This record gives sequence, C-alpha cells and structure tokens, in this order.
Amino acid sequence: QKEVEQNSGPLSVPEGAIASLNCTYSDRGSQSFFWYRQYSGKSPELIMFIYSNGDKEDGRFTAQLNKASQYVSLLIRDSQPSDSATYLCAVGTGGFKTIFGAGTRLFVKA
Amino acid sequence: DAGVTQSPTHLIKTRGQQVTLRCSPKSGHDTVSWYQQALGQGPQFIFQYYEEEERQRGNFPDRFSGHQFPNYSSELNVNALLLGDSALYLCASSLNRDQPQHFGDGTRLSIL
Repeated sequence: QKEVEQNSGPLSVPEGAIASLNCTYSDRGSQSFFWYRQYSGKSPELIMFIYSNGDKEDGRFTAQLNKASQYVSLLIRDSQPSDSATYLCAVGTGGFKTIFGAGTRLFVKA
Repeated sequence: DAGVTQSPTHLIKTRGQQVTLRCSPKSGHDTVSWYQQALGQGPQFIFQYYEEEERQRGNFPDRFSGHQFPNYSSELNVNALLLGDSALYLCASSLNRDQPQHFGDGTRLSIL
C-alpha cells in the first residue's frame, strides 16, 4: 500500500464546475496535510494546508480533512481553465518527512 | 521577499560523475528539504536539514549527501551518477517541521 494515494486522473470538469480531488494516507500519526498545484515543467506551488479535522476555505479552494477515515480532499469551486494542472497531496508524518502522492491531473474545459 | 532560489536550473552530466546543487531558502525559513521528482511522479523525500544537521533521510543511497550552512542555505551532492538519477531536484524551505514548505524552481539534471 502506498503511503499517500491519489487517483492519477485525468479528472475533466467543465469551466465553472466544482472539481473534487481526493487523497488517502496510511500513517494514522500524520499531523499536517498540504495541497500543491504543479503546472507542467514547473515546481509545486502551495495552495492549502490543514491540520485539524473539518473544512478550511481560502477563496475558491476548500480543503477537507477526516483523520478517522485518513482522508483529505480539495474542492475547487468555479473551476477555470487556468486551474488545469497536476494537484499533489502531501502529508507530514509527524517526524521531519513529508510524503507526496503521485498527483491528480485536472483538466478544466472552456 | 525573496523566495527559494536554486542553482543551476539545468545540468547535464555523464554516468559516474559527481554533481552539486545549491539552494537558498525563503527569507525567514530555517529548514531545508530536498526532493527528487521523476517524470509523472510526485516528489520523493531525500533528506531534511535543520541547524546544519540532517534530521531525517528518505530511502536514498549514501551517494546522496547534503550540507546546510550557517546562513541556512544548503547543498545536495550526488556521487557516482547513474542514468536513473535523471530527474527534477527540488529544494523546499519551511519554518521548522510540519509547517508549509515552499519550493524553488528546481534543477533539472540529465545523465547521459
């Protein structure tokens, strides 16, 4: 079992729709959770981080964390073509190591 | 406010050579982590440096080594390069562990 799992996609949504990206993790001791966006040929860019169960909203982005289910998600409202990228879920294991998933490719169709 | 800077941006080496990659953290950050990202994969943790010491290491051989300087900048050294070392090498800085990491633009290393 991979430590951080994401559906590789591609996930295709029409412009203006809600994109839902999901991630599961295996280490119950994980304490910090991050979402990064990575455009092709570029480095990852931090979008959201969450430490506690529940929802955290920032603009069009909402991160959701459920530690009991070991599940974290990212919702993107009013999706735009410029949101088309690979979204990386990253989990801090409570040590000094952050583990990344392989990413979900998102395509927003104009 | 300067972000994370990495040099060089691109590098071409041959098998068996050695390479040094450099990273300056974001202003105010004291922790530097290095990652290797192969095409189509997520970043893989190599190691993290704090107070000039390696705090934790990922599943990478001893050919990969690093250093952190008093000004928090860091180097990644890779010896005896293999074809499989071709990847994007990312440096990320943060203010201690569990805090959000900010990435530099990366160094793309190609091994011929």
